[in-house]
Amino acid sequence: EVQLVETGGGLIQPGGSLRLSCAASGLTVSSNYMTWVRQAPGKGLEWVSVFYSGGATYYIDSVKGRFTISRDNSKNTLYLQMDSLRVEDTAVYYCARTNRGTGRWDFDFWGQGTLVTVSS
Amino acid sequence: QSALTQPRSVSGSPGQSVTISCTGSSSDVGGYNYVSWYQQYPGKAPKLVIYSVNKRPSGVPDRFSGSKSGNTASLTISGLQAEDEADYYCCSYAGSYIFEVFGGGTKLTVL
Repeated sequence: EVQLVETGGGLIQPGGSLRLSCAASGLTVSSNYMTWVRQAPGKGLEWVSVFYSGGATYYIDSVKGRFTISRDNSKNTLYLQMDSLRVEDTAVYYCARTNRGTGRWDFDFWGQGTLVTVSS
Repeated sequence: QSALTQPRSVSGSPGQSVTISCTGSSSDVGGYNYVSWYQQYPGKAPKLVIYSVNKRPSGVPDRFSGSKSGNTASLTISGLQAEDEADYYCCSYAGSYIFEVFGGGTKLTVL
């Protein structure tokens, strides 16, 4: 059974930093495309970043230069380092596996999410 | 990047069918067969219900179906049940610069 467990959220002041973790079991993070998706309170889903199995990383424009996605293969864990946080980064952050099977590009496994609140 | 366009809400009575539309452009929905749909209950993580336009993951009832015509994708739920009341989001791959774009979400109410 696949499980993704996010931790690291909390209340942080604008300009501060947080690191989110996504511990995986039942799948190997390094062999998969792993993605962060966020959802602001009462709003829709927004793709944030992806870490390809081959090592490439990509970000939505609004977080480029501020967020860094990484992984620790020995811990089977995905991370999202968030620096220079803004009020508009307030959201529940989900990690998800991007299924890149034949003819597929979708998010088939999701964590429960972790809430990041940026406020003074 | 612009979100895909979904109706804010739809409703139907038990046993009826409802269709939720998702309109994008030739750069996303119309350009790739990578449209997926997610069901989300309040306070819960999204759940994949349709992938690759019209395929259902194991365990998703066959009451859920997907289709696409041009730049618009659709999710149809037939034989509505009370448990189908949730928010539904479409998503499309949008190329190697934008990557993924979601719709704004549709609240389904079962009357």
